[in-house]
Amino acid sequence: DAGITQSPRHKVTETGTPVTLRCHQTENHRYMYWYRQDPGHGLRLIHYSYGVKDTDKGEVSDGYSVSRSKTEDFLLTLESATSSQTSVYFCAVQVNVFYGYTFGSGTRLTVV
Amino acid sequence: KQEVTQIPAALSVPEGENLVLNCSFTDSAIYNLQWFRQDPGKGLTSLLLIQSSQREQTSGRLNASLDKSSGRSTLYIAASQPGDSATYLCAVRGLGGSEKLVFGKGTKLTVNP
Repeated sequence: DAGITQSPRHKVTETGTPVTLRCHQTENHRYMYWYRQDPGHGLRLIHYSYGVKDTDKGEVSDGYSVSRSKTEDFLLTLESATSSQTSVYFCAVQVNVFYGYTFGSGTRLTVV
Repeated sequence: KQEVTQIPAALSVPEGENLVLNCSFTDSAIYNLQWFRQDPGKGLTSLLLIQSSQREQTSGRLNASLDKSSGRSTLYIAASQPGDSATYLCAVRGLGGSEKLVFGKGTKLTVNP
């Protein structure tokens, strides 16, 4: 999986609490992405980063923020978790133009 | 806005059959197209990547084709096996600087012994 680690793997949290998911890579890839996967919607881009402190919004960014203070770490924060944010979250990196993208194993988040 | 569609949403075949999965996209201005496999409860595994200048790529029993002008790609699986049962996703990367992928919703394949 090209050295991508997501943590935690599973989390249950209460509505209204902040939650931070971590994506860690070991190979200094420039581009990193956060997607969520939901039945009937497929994979949708939340936020992405094109370098340290360089981030931008994806198509479903409301209620989420991100930070990238080091090349290897890309953090996704749910500012005040809601039940609609119950989902599986995937981190991805772009390895190169010939290999394409590699994904982490995912974080299953349940908001109760 | 790029939209990616995969048909059928689900497919069930007997073991040994050759099969084709379809992917279409609305904007032909793509950089490349990537096919992934996803097993239940797991992450995505890259299968094949086709650059916009290529017509096909092969890996073992898998062959992916790309017709950029018509906005279509196919994934051909030869001599299917029960272990091929999974959801297959296609994703396109646009020409913009963000280099982000747009995904289809996938085809769930079941290969019956």
